[in-house]
Amino acid sequence: DIQMTQSPSSLSASVGDRVTITCQASQDISYYLNWYQQKPGKAPKLLISDASNLKTGVPSRFSGSGSGTDFIFTISSLQPEDIATYYCQQYNSLPPTFGQGTKLEIK
Amino acid sequence: QVQLQESGPGLVRPSETLSLTCTVSGGSISSYYWNWIRQPPGKGLEWIGYVYYTGTTYYNPSLKSRVTISVDTSKNQFSLKLTSVTAADTAVYYCARESSANGWLWFDPWGQGTLVTVSS
Repeated sequence: DIQMTQSPSSLSASVGDRVTITCQASQDISYYLNWYQQKPGKAPKLLISDASNLKTGVPSRFSGSGSGTDFIFTISSLQPEDIATYYCQQYNSLPPTFGQGTKLEIK
Repeated sequence: QVQLQESGPGLVRPSETLSLTCTVSGGSISSYYWNWIRQPPGKGLEWIGYVYYTGTTYYNPSLKSRVTISVDTSKNQFSLKLTSVTAADTAVYYCARESSANGWLWFDPWGQGTLVTVSS
């Protein structure tokens, strides 16, 4: 299985801050990397597919980049409603695997 | 738009079989892969497996010996069975559709999830 390692595991930031989460794959996954947002008690919500493709309706302050083994997820200006846990997920090969999550809190 | 809804018992006894159904509304179950994903309380996400509308399946090797996923196209439903459950199988179970474009794959939409507790 491909292992996905996210960092940090938790992050505290202020409203308006730029927030960056990294995700590293244990082998080359090309651009087969998705990002999800999960709020407490809710199902994960897809934000970004194929590393950098922002899904329809997702605010433009969210962005993704990277390829191969190293990926970055960025919130350009943190808003209170962005408080959630964020997961990366690879779909280069079966089984699909998720990172352990990054819990984002407001400082 | 397509919506998914999980249903099934919220409590299962140890060593018994966990059974859940996902009902797809707002669209056809045909031409997609349908997935089960679980999340133990306070932990991360684990993919369990998928079923194609034709009945083709693929399971996570870590659970393969205990998992069966099936589809009923006449009811627009697919189901999960997990045998010989233990407390480690306590989790929120989600159903999700695999979507794709230009060869890229992702999970969307998801059901709301259902908590299954394994306890005597």
